Amino acid sequence: QVQLQESGPGLVKPSQTLSLTCTVSGGSISSGSYYWSWIRQPAGKGLEWIGRIYTSGSTNYNPSLKSRVTISVDTSKNQFSLKLSSVTAADTAVYYCARSLGRGGYSGSEQYYYYYMDVWGKGTTVTVSS
Amino acid sequence: SYELTQPPSVSVSPGQTASITCSGDKLGDKYACWYQQKPGQSPVLVIYQDSKRPSGIPERFSGSNSGNTATLTISGTQAMDEADYYCQAWDSTFVVFGGGTKLTVL
Repeated sequence: QVQLQESGPGLVKPSQTLSLTCTVSGGSISSGSYYWSWIRQPAGKGLEWIGRIYTSGSTNYNPSLKSRVTISVDTSKNQFSLKLSSVTAADTAVYYCARSLGRGGYSGSEQYYYYYMDVWGKGTTVTVSS
Repeated sequence: SYELTQPPSVSVSPGQTASITCSGDKLGDKYACWYQQKPGQSPVLVIYQDSKRPSGIPERFSGSNSGNTATLTISGTQAMDEADYYCQAWDSTFVVFGGGTKLTVL
């Protein structure tokens, strides 16, 4: 049973870089055709997808955060990481990592793509404050 | 940018059927999935690829997607189903979440 665990500082100063790591246990981060995602949730608000990485290193980011986000993977440590630069109070949230499945193809002449997150970490709270 | 719209809240009596909608432009041409989130817990996938249930999700959870609306249906709703529910789809190169619906069982 794959499990994910987020780790990193719970407090970050404004204008600094938020850095979090997600450790995957119970399976290899390189096995299967999975993507590895970061999602965040401000207190009392909804979910916001930050981005994803494939074990090849290819990434996709939320356009609203793209200029500040870097997601990387370390297969030797079975981990993937998030860096969010120039943080402000608006970046205060619970940050989740998740395993994701994405598949595309054609059904007849119609192109399709599905994507969902099937295993989530417990989340870690990050507060941006001086 | 692509948007998914959910009603902020839905109420249902125990044992009745709850329906939570998720609206987006031509959403039926995309695949939708649904997550359940209880207070203080991580989201849990309850429906993927419009209507498929992951292992361990009760049969009372079902999904559909057509036109501009995806729907999560909970038949025989139980008190334990009270939670926030989020729809999600993929648009172009990124994930879009709905704003979430608080399901109250009363």
